[in-house]
Amino acid sequence: QVQVVESGGGVVQPGRSLRLSCAASGFTFSSYGMHWVRQAPGKGLEWVAVIWYDGSNKYYADSVKGRFTISRDNSKNTLYLQMNSLRAEDTAVYYCARVRCSGGTCYSPLDYWGQGTLVTVSS
Amino acid sequence: QLVLTQSPSASASLGASVKLTCTLSSGHSNYAIAWHQQQPEKGPRYLMKLNSDGSHSKGDGIPDRFSGSSSGAERYLTISSLQSEDEADYYCQTWGTGIWVFGGGTKLTVL
Repeated sequence: QVQVVESGGGVVQPGRSLRLSCAASGFTFSSYGMHWVRQAPGKGLEWVAVIWYDGSNKYYADSVKGRFTISRDNSKNTLYLQMNSLRAEDTAVYYCARVRCSGGTCYSPLDYWGQGTLVTVSS
Repeated sequence: QLVLTQSPSASASLGASVKLTCTLSSGHSNYAIAWHQQQPEKGPRYLMKLNSDGSHSKGDGIPDRFSGSSSGAERYLTISSLQSEDEADYYCQTWGTGIWVFGGGTKLTVL
């Protein structure tokens, strides 16, 4: 069955870096786009970034642009989120989610989600 | 600007039906959306994609009790025969060129 599992969360000081991973299984990873979405404590969902199935396109929310980098390794069925210059407001549960691609684009709903990994930015 | 607006809360009785609303911002009334459910302490779950003409396609294993409809800029999620496990947060989501947007979510209480 389709499964995506996030890891790499933890407590980090402001200004430091952290890398999240998302291991995918049960589907052809290289055929799907992948998103990162976050949820601050007690708040709603906030889209963070997306990467196309082949890595050819990447888009970011304004709140993380220039600080976060999304990437993927299709040979390892793994998605990454490199987070630099972390701020207190980046504290959240980070989810990865799959998106179908068709005709070379990935403008579709997020159709499978992970359980998330908690990132806490605090001194 | 692409924005989705949802009421913060809704409630309905066990066994009854409820209709949740998601409103697209001006100029975006023809956009498709998706509905997602998030039960307490869990990751979100994809429910369905809902098009502007009201046609919808559900995710794997989503019961027939969940249905969608559209009218103008409004997108609806109807849940019939409410069960206790339907008590959750419901988010609508859409996408444009290089941007993905979530509504603020509706917290559904099953009485």
